[in-house]
This record gives sequence, structure tokens and C-alpha cells, in this order.
Amino acid sequence: DSGVTQTPKHLITATGQRVTLRCSPRSGDLSVYWYQQSLDQGLQFLIQYYNGEERAKGNILERFSAQQFPDLHSELNLSSLELGDSALYFCASSVQGRGGYTFGSGTRLTVV
Amino acid sequence: GENVEQHPSTLSVQEGDSAVIKCTYSDSASNYFPWYKQELGKGPQLIIDIRSNVGEKKDQRIAVTLNKTAKHFSLHITETQPEDSAVYFCAASKVSRGNEKLTFGTGTRLTIIP
Repeated sequence: DSGVTQTPKHLITATGQRVTLRCSPRSGDLSVYWYQQSLDQGLQFLIQYYNGEERAKGNILERFSAQQFPDLHSELNLSSLELGDSALYFCASSVQGRGGYTFGSGTRLTVV
Repeated sequence: GENVEQHPSTLSVQEGDSAVIKCTYSDSASNYFPWYKQELGKGPQLIIDIRSNVGEKKDQRIAVTLNKTAKHFSLHITETQPEDSAVYFCAASKVSRGNEKLTFGTGTRLTIIP
């Protein structure tokens, strides 16, 4: 157990639907990062939150949004889902200023 | 922004031999270089990292070297074992307070042949 908790582990949904992925960072970590990993692809950075504020944005589609709550857990919302959104979505958290992430085990999203 | 290139994309070595994976980065201000191992169905796991004020770091069978002048760093695995089979990712970051965003390489699928 890495200490970063992602739920659900698996999600199957239809095109056009909306889903919410949840991440709880390690205790004490203020930063949360979201990454997308498509089949046999690398890790594409989506968005970072630090202590409740958006800190950096990557290749995140307008149909996707995220937020970090006062208790530091984060949610990634994916709407108007398309087949191409099928992927593994990872959340990671980090200790402030030291570098390096701890990843969760991911949510596998399948859009049918 | 930072760009990280990783080679090779696939690597097969005989059990007991050494494996080397190489990465280059573009931003000379990057100061933190971790390596992650991802096993099938799992999240990436940090296996070793190096900071820009160090040229080499070793942990048992794995080592990482950094050449800041050439902006490249490498992962070395010696005496490879079947459990080393996985996808390995290098990454680079310019660590500052509240920002540890990593830019990842495209990954190397390492297969250890028994």
C-alpha cells in the first residue's frame, strides 16, 4: 500500500456519460497530480493541485476538470466521455519541496 | 517546458546480465531525476532518484548516473533477475516549494530472459 488511495479501481461506462475519480493523498502531502496512461503509452500529465489551488495544467481536455478539497482529497471529473478516453488514470502525491511522487494504483476507465 | 527522451523503448537481456536505460532532458534548470518501475496492472513505483548536485547514486543492484553538462542520465541494473521485468520510466523536474511536477520519458519495457 503506497498510502495514496484511488477509487474506484475499475469503471465501465458508456459514451457521453460523466464519471468522477477520487484520490486521497498520503498523509501530510499537499500536492496532488493527475496523469493519464493510455494503452502502451507513457504518463501524460493532466493537472496539479497544491493545498487546494490549481498549480499547473497539462494536456487536459476541456471536458475534464478537477478540484482539491479542504481535506486534500482530489476528484477528477470526466464528462461527455468518448471511446478514446479509455485509459488508466493515476493520482500521485508528493512531499512539499523534496521531489518525487507516490502513485496510487490507478483507476482503469473503459468507455464502451 | 521540459522534454524528456528515453531510449530504448524495449530491451531484452539474459538473466544475470546488465541493463542500461538512457534519458536526456532539455531544461538545464531541472534538478531532480527519479526512475520509476511499473509492473503490470500497478502504479509506477519510485526505485531510485538523483539530484543535480550528485553525479552517481547506487542502491544494491541499481545505479543512476547524471551528466549535467550533456543533460543526460542513465539507469543501470546489474545481475538482472526475472522480477526486474517491467516498464521503467525516467523523469525530470525543477523542484521548488509547492511544485514537484515531473515530466516523464516514454518508458522502456525491460524483459529478462531466463
